[in-house]
Amino acid sequence: EPEVTQTPSHQVTQMGQEVILRCVPISNHLYFYWYRQILGQKVEFLVSFYNNEISEKSEIFDDQFSVERPDGSNFTLKIRSTKLEDSAMYFCASNFNEKLFFGSGTQLSVL
Amino acid sequence: AQKITQTQPGMFVQEKEAVTLDCTYDTSDPSYGLFWYKQPSSGEMIFLIYQGSYDQQNATEGRYSLNFQKARKSANLVISASQLGDSAMYFCAMREGRVDNYGQNFVFGPGTRLSVLP
Repeated sequence: EPEVTQTPSHQVTQMGQEVILRCVPISNHLYFYWYRQILGQKVEFLVSFYNNEISEKSEIFDDQFSVERPDGSNFTLKIRSTKLEDSAMYFCASNFNEKLFFGSGTQLSVL
Repeated sequence: AQKITQTQPGMFVQEKEAVTLDCTYDTSDPSYGLFWYKQPSSGEMIFLIYQGSYDQQNATEGRYSLNFQKARKSANLVISASQLGDSAMYFCAMREGRVDNYGQNFVFGPGTRLSVLP
């Protein structure tokens, strides 16, 4: 069964450093998303991406965040200057028709 | 107001027994979708089952079934014949509106932690 793939599974970084989280959505899916889950808390929407541009973003998705699909398969989330409060599990997701599928997540730890 | 309510922070069930995880939702949109996801301790978010608001029959996927009661706005997950590997956090979620609209209009409940006892 096709799946959404995320790399790396864990990322440790120093505060102020840039990180790039990578995702390969399911091929033939058209809409892509990033969500995050701070430990023990709810899953929160960050951004949605369709037709090579952002279609919607939350207030969490400030100027420190960016997304792109550089080569037609990978879908990346960049955090330019990480803060301690960016520590969370980041999920990539893609949907086709009615169902939304998540990747296995990247656990980001900012020290 | 909360869009998704899961009133059971934790549940215990004996192996091989059935268990029902509660979920109620709040929306005025006639078109919506209801989801259940499983999150084991390893952290991934696993899709279990989906119910569309216009679906006439309750959704089933193997040992999972969704007890959809539209008038009561409830979408309870039933797991039959529980297994030790079912121990995990379970999230109910809802998408309001268009089927491609998983941005701000896709919300999760707080989750229920299920523990299956041997």
